[in-house]
Amino acid sequence: DTGVSQNPRHKITKRGQNVTFRCDPISEHNRLYWYRQTLGQGPEFLTYFQNEAQLEKSRLLSDRFSAERPKGSFSTLEIQRTEQGDSAMYLCASSARQGARVRTDTQYFGPGTRLTVL
Amino acid sequence: GESVGLHLPTLSVQEGDNSIINCAYSNSASDYFIWYKQESGKGPQFIIDIRSNMDKRQGQRVTVLLNKTVKHLSLQIAATQPGDSAVYFCAETLISSGSARQLTFGSGTQLTVLP
Repeated sequence: DTGVSQNPRHKITKRGQNVTFRCDPISEHNRLYWYRQTLGQGPEFLTYFQNEAQLEKSRLLSDRFSAERPKGSFSTLEIQRTEQGDSAMYLCASSARQGARVRTDTQYFGPGTRLTVL
Repeated sequence: GESVGLHLPTLSVQEGDNSIINCAYSNSASDYFIWYKQESGKGPQFIIDIRSNMDKRQGQRVTVLLNKTVKHLSLQIAATQPGDSAVYFCAETLISSGSARQLTFGSGTQLTVLP
């Protein structure tokens, strides 16, 4: 399977605990995005990487959230001191840069990590 | 702030009929639009996209229409099948600057295909 993969698929944690999610983008893609989706709503943008550089961050990304993409391949999203309001589906997407031989701009999504904070 | 919205939250169609899902967008600067399909418990799946220099684009059983005058987007699904049952989102962004941009999604339309 050459699509975007995310791990874990489900995470249940207690309030106050830290959690970390991983995203592996499509191998040809150098752009990577994190979104959050709550029930009945569309995904909301959190942050974006081009290679290893984090270029955009939403105001939704509070100080408790941190994302990294150290080698320009996989990315991690960490939430510290989780709150019940953090319960959501966390989606990762990737796209190719302009000029690439593959289709550009289109963001392809992974299956998501569903976080439940008790 | 500006956002993408959908006219109808739910749509039920008979199997074999055509479906039309509508979307209104408010950011006149947006130049790239995408339709995604999301099944329960899964991530959004790319269906079809269209750039603002086009008004129609066809795929396999799907057609996207863009009316920039009234800032309206629609997704037409021909011969709707049970497997088409899902939530459909439209999303908009601005790509003409050459940099990647975040997608702005609407709240989605639940399509139910009746036997």
